[in-house]
Amino acid sequence: AQSVTQPDIHITVSEGASLELRCNYSYGATPYLFWYVQSPGQGLQLLLKYFSGDTLVQGIKGFEAEFKRSQSSFNLRKPSVHWSDAAEYFCAVGAGGSYIPTFGRGTSLIVHP
Amino acid sequence: DAEITQSPRHKITETGRQVTLACHQTWNHNNMFWYRQDLGHGLRLIHYSYGVQDTNKGEVSDGYSVSRSNTEDLPLTLESAASSQTSVYFCASSDSGETQYFGPGTRLLVL
Repeated sequence: AQSVTQPDIHITVSEGASLELRCNYSYGATPYLFWYVQSPGQGLQLLLKYFSGDTLVQGIKGFEAEFKRSQSSFNLRKPSVHWSDAAEYFCAVGAGGSYIPTFGRGTSLIVHP
Repeated sequence: DAEITQSPRHKITETGRQVTLACHQTWNHNNMFWYRQDLGHGLRLIHYSYGVQDTNKGEVSDGYSVSRSNTEDLPLTLESAASSQTSVYFCASSDSGETQYFGPGTRLLVL
């Protein structure tokens, strides 16, 4: 069975600073990988996903993530954070075929002005 | 535009009462899911369905049931509400590509 670890429960950055949120997964084959964002009081929204091909994936809102098979990682990055990026971020891994991704516990992003 | 809606958005009920949370999607997705979200536990899968008349138990299914009579709807029923079921409930649907689309959530308080 697959698993996901998001090592950071909270991350605090200043507005305009760069951001990297960590995600490590465990799965025997090539996984399906996702990043979702949850704003307060809202449901989860897909930021980006990786299924195959180019290991650097571009998403919405200026986010990108890189799949590194050797490190079993799929870290989310953004070059310059905006105050509106403050939210909860979830990494998820899918096994393909089951349609049931496994979600990480989430990382709460706090943005200081 | 296609969407997934949940109702009610907020619900207060008493211990022992039966409660049904509605989920409706217009994506025409075969797969539908119910999760609960609690502090310290992240998202936990309650039940899921791969199509009409198909339902399956997730990791925290005790005390919950679902039925799937059409493609669009997957209502979640709490047979006898307990205080431990106070939570935020999310419905989601997905296509064959495994991307999940989430509803806005229902905040349930069981007194």
